[in-house]
Formats: sequence, structure tokens, C-alpha cells
Amino acid sequence: SQKIEQNSEALNIQEGKTATLTCNYTNYSPAYLQWYRQDPGRGPVFLLLIRENEKEKRKERLKVTFDTTLKQSLFHITASQPADSATYLCALRDFNKFYFGSGTKLNVKP
Amino acid sequence: KAGVTQTPRYLIKTRGQQVTLSCSPISGHRSVSWYQQTPGQGLQFLFEYFSETQRNKGNFPGRFSGRQFSNSRSEMNVSTLELGDSALYLCASSLGGGGSPGNEQFFGPGTRLTVL
Repeated sequence: SQKIEQNSEALNIQEGKTATLTCNYTNYSPAYLQWYRQDPGRGPVFLLLIRENEKEKRKERLKVTFDTTLKQSLFHITASQPADSATYLCALRDFNKFYFGSGTKLNVKP
Repeated sequence: KAGVTQTPRYLIKTRGQQVTLSCSPISGHRSVSWYQQTPGQGLQFLFEYFSETQRNKGNFPGRFSGRQFSNSRSEMNVSTLELGDSALYLCASSLGGGGSPGNEQFFGPGTRLTVL
């Protein structure tokens, strides 16, 4: 079955900097890969979806890349703000089952 | 448009009991998926229902079951509760099945189940 790896260590960055989070998967590349944000005690919130034939996708300060050769997706938040502090999860669908990474906690310090 | 609602929000049960959790999807969404989230295992897929039929199932024992009604509302049942079942149970709805463009998943706030 598919395995998704995200850095379990928290990422601490200064306000205004760019945060970069990594998502690696093990099996064949999915058709789509998704990124979610989760705040404590709440359900994940969908942020972005990128298709396998898209190298990059942007939405406001967010940017996602998808490298099927490396089996990796990178999630960037530019001009980060303390309000961006949360856990970010990547997810993909493989054989009709959904797999989520364990998430990376982002702390943006003012 | 109202979001995904889950009831109850918090639940305390003892080992051996059984529990039923409820999920109301966003109006018009026909797919409901259930997940278990624990600190150690993260978010794990339980099952997905679409138009009252279970379409997919994760790697959980048969004590975990679910169903979907004609109005797309879904229930999840866990029988013979174990301590390890303590978790946040999340449901997510989507138009036609999460994963593809236009079928993004929208999550509810979850039900926090504690088994004593």
C-alpha cells in the first residue's frame, strides 16, 4: 500500500520568510495529490490539488510542486504570517483508498 | 451553505461497549468518507460510502462498520470498544468521491471518542 512521509519535526520560521514543506510517497505516482491544513481540535481543510501532469500550482501565497520522478511534492508558503501556524498534511488517493501523511507542524514566529 | 456536521462532538465510553457516530455531509454531496486520527498513526482511512454503497474500505477490523442513508447522511459504528479505539473520528464529504478535481473533501469537526 502507499506510504506517505512528511517531516515529523516541527518547522520553525520567522514571519515574512518562505516555509517549505516536503511530502514523499513510495508507490507509483497518483493522478492527483492534495494538501490540507489542520488546526488543533479541528478537521483538515483542503488547500490545493495538483495533477500529475502539472509541475506547479499556485494559490495566493501558496505554491505546490509535484515531481513524479522524485515521488515528491513540495508545499511553499511565501511571506509567512503567524496565522499560517498549523499542521499541514499531504494526501493522495491510491486504488480508491485515501492516504494521508502524518503532517508537518509549522510555527511562524512574529 | 452549511458545512459537514458531526454528532456528538465528544463521547466517553468504556471497554466492551459499542458506539454510533453520525455525519451529515454538505448538501448535494453524495460521498462520505470516515477517518480515524490518533497521535501515533495520524489520519487513517476507514471507509467511503457513495449513494448508500460502501465503495472502499481501509485496513480496520470488522468491529468498525458504517452505512449511508438515502439523504447521504452516514453513520459509523464501532462494537466491542477497545482502549486503542480512543481517537478523533472525522468524516469528509465530497461531490463524487474525494481525490480528483472538483471532488475535494470537506471535513467535519470530528467526534472525540475516549474509551476508558
